[in-house]
Amino acid sequence: QKEVEQDPGPLSVPEGAIVSLNCTYSNSAFQYFMWYRQYSRKGPELLMYTYSSGNKEDGRFTAQVDKSSKYISLFIRDSQPSDSATYLCAMSGTGNQFYFGTGTSLTVIP
Amino acid sequence: DTGVSQDPRHKITKRGQNVTFRCDPISEHNRLYWYRQTLGQGPEFLTYFQNEAQLEKSRLLSDRFSAERPKGSFSTLEIQRTEQGDSAMYLCASSLGLVKNEQFFGPGTRLTVL
Repeated sequence: QKEVEQDPGPLSVPEGAIVSLNCTYSNSAFQYFMWYRQYSRKGPELLMYTYSSGNKEDGRFTAQVDKSSKYISLFIRDSQPSDSATYLCAMSGTGNQFYFGTGTSLTVIP
Repeated sequence: DTGVSQDPRHKITKRGQNVTFRCDPISEHNRLYWYRQTLGQGPEFLTYFQNEAQLEKSRLLSDRFSAERPKGSFSTLEIQRTEQGDSAMYLCASSLGLVKNEQFFGPGTRLTVL
């Protein structure tokens, strides 16, 4: 079983839609949770960082962590064509090794 | 540009050749990470430096791979006797180490082994 599971999609939504991206994990020691956006042939770009459980909002983006269910989510409101990218979840425990999901490919159609 | 930089951006080599990649982290960042990413997959951790000390290595890092960070600034990743399975994007990331998990990635080096 992989440490982190993420639905690869692809996900296609109309402009303005609310997008929900999710990851599940198996390691209860994970306490740091991140979402990255990656455009084609580019390095990942950090979007959101959350420690432990709870919600965090930044503009159109909201990250949620439910440690009891080992489930994290990223919501994108009012999605834009420029949001079209691959979204990667990542997590770590007290060590320095990050564990990434496989990424979800998102296309926002104008 | 004050972000993480990597050189070269693309490398094509023949099987059996050695290759070396360079990463320049954000200047005040003391932590540096190397990852490998293949198509359709997330980045896989390879190794981690704090200053010049290599503190963690993944079991993915075979003995053909070696990484250095000689003065605690830039880092190099060398792959000896390349194999076709080494074809991937090699990503470098750095962090300040205070909020330790905010890693900032470079653009990557895409390696193709023929």
